[in-house]
Amino acid sequence: DIVMTQSPDSLAVSLGERATINCKSSQSVLYDSNSKNYLAWYQQKPGQPPKLLIYWASTRESGVPDRFSGSGSGTDFTLTISSLQTDDVAVYYCQEYYSTSWTFGQGTKVEI
Amino acid sequence: EVHLVESGGGLVQPGGSLRLSCAASGFTFSDYWMSWVRQAPGKGLEWVANIFQGGSEKYYVDSVKGRFTISRDNAKNSLYLQMNSLRAEDTALYYCVRALGGGYLDSWGQGTLVTVSS
Repeated sequence: DIVMTQSPDSLAVSLGERATINCKSSQSVLYDSNSKNYLAWYQQKPGQPPKLLIYWASTRESGVPDRFSGSGSGTDFTLTISSLQTDDVAVYYCQEYYSTSWTFGQGTKVEI
Repeated sequence: EVHLVESGGGLVQPGGSLRLSCAASGFTFSDYWMSWVRQAPGKGLEWVANIFQGGSEKYYVDSVKGRFTISRDNAKNSLYLQMNSLRAEDTALYYCVRALGGGYLDSWGQGTLVTVSS
């Protein structure tokens, strides 16, 4: 199975500053035939189900603010929040869907 | 609007069984892969099982293989998870989730809580 490892486990960022979360997969999630990275990012606030933010590593889901962006390819990926807002306090997860046995990272808690 | 409502959770003794259900609305259910994802109290997300549109292909996380069975009834717009031989480590909030594009999860229910304890 593919193992997804996020770093850091938690981070505190000042309002308006940039937050960067990393996700590393134990094997490439880039599918050569379509050049797509099978990697998604989710946001989960307390007491709520997760919310899809980014898919195909860098495609923003409809309605997601443009301060959220995803980048990377192969085994190394990044979620960036360009200017942190109070509403962004949450736990963020990456997920690979390259294999038939999908896996999530352990989560990164973002605080102000 | 996509709506997913789980039911069937509860308290069960180790070794017992439960059947979770998910009622889907707001989209053409038979066109989509569906999944179950769980979250133990205070822990991260764990994908549990997938089922393709027609129900012919199913995949499971290793820890539930042979104990859990995912199924669907496209005529009833419903997804199910039959859970047998339950263990304490199966205690979690179980989410019903719609999958797109080969596996990103765009719509989530609110979850149903399964507690395995004597």
